[in-house]
Amino acid sequence: QKEVEQDPGPLSVPEGAIVSLNCTYSNSAFQYFMWYRQYSRKGPELLMYTYSSGNKEDGRFTAQVDKSSKYISLFIRDSQPSDSATYLCAMRRGGGADGLTFGKGTHLIIQP
Amino acid sequence: NAGVTQTPKFRILKIGQSMTLQCTQDMNHNYMYWYRQDPGMGLKLIYYSVGAGITDKGEVPNGYNVSRSTTEDFPLRLELAAPSQTSVYFCASNSRGYEQYFGPGTRLTVT
Repeated sequence: QKEVEQDPGPLSVPEGAIVSLNCTYSNSAFQYFMWYRQYSRKGPELLMYTYSSGNKEDGRFTAQVDKSSKYISLFIRDSQPSDSATYLCAMRRGGGADGLTFGKGTHLIIQP
Repeated sequence: NAGVTQTPKFRILKIGQSMTLQCTQDMNHNYMYWYRQDPGMGLKLIYYSVGAGITDKGEVPNGYNVSRSTTEDFPLRLELAAPSQTSVYFCASNSRGYEQYFGPGTRLTVT
C-alpha cells in the first residue's frame, strides 16, 4: 500500500461547480497536511496548510483533515477555468526538516 | 524577494556526463530540499539540508550528491548521468514554519 493515494483523474467539471479533491494515507504519524497547485511546466504553489484534524477555509478553498479516517479533502467553490491545474496533496510527520510525502496529483479541468 | 530560484531551466545530458543543478533562496530559510518529479507522479525527496554544512538522504538519493556551504545555496550534483535520471527537479525551502516553498524546476533529459 502506497503511503499516499490520490486519484490522478482527469477530473472535468463545468465552470461554477464545487470541486472535491481528496487523498488517503496510511502513515498515522503524519500531522501536517498541505495542498499544492501545479500549473503545467511550473513549480508547485502552496494553496492550503492544516495541522492535525479539522477544517480551514481561505476564500474559495476549504481544506478538511480527518485523521481518524486518514482522509484529507480540498473543496473549491465557484470553480473558474483558471483553477485548471494539477492538485497535489502532501503531508509530513513533524516540523522543521521533514521532507514532504506527496500524492501523485489530480489533474483538474474546469470547462468554461 | 525572488524566493527560490533554480538554474538551468532545461538541460540535455548524454549518458555518463555530469552536471550541477543550482538552487538559491533569499528567504533566510534553514531547511532546503531537492525533489524529483517523474511524469504522472508526485514528487520524491532526494536530499535535504537543515543548515549550512548539514545534509541527509531522502527517499531516492542514489546517483546524486549535495553540499550546503551557505544558507542560501543548495546545489545538486549528478556525477554519471543515466536515463533513469530524466526528470523534473524541484528545489524547496522552509523556515521553522511548515510551509515549504518551491522553485520553478529544472527539466533534465539524459539520452
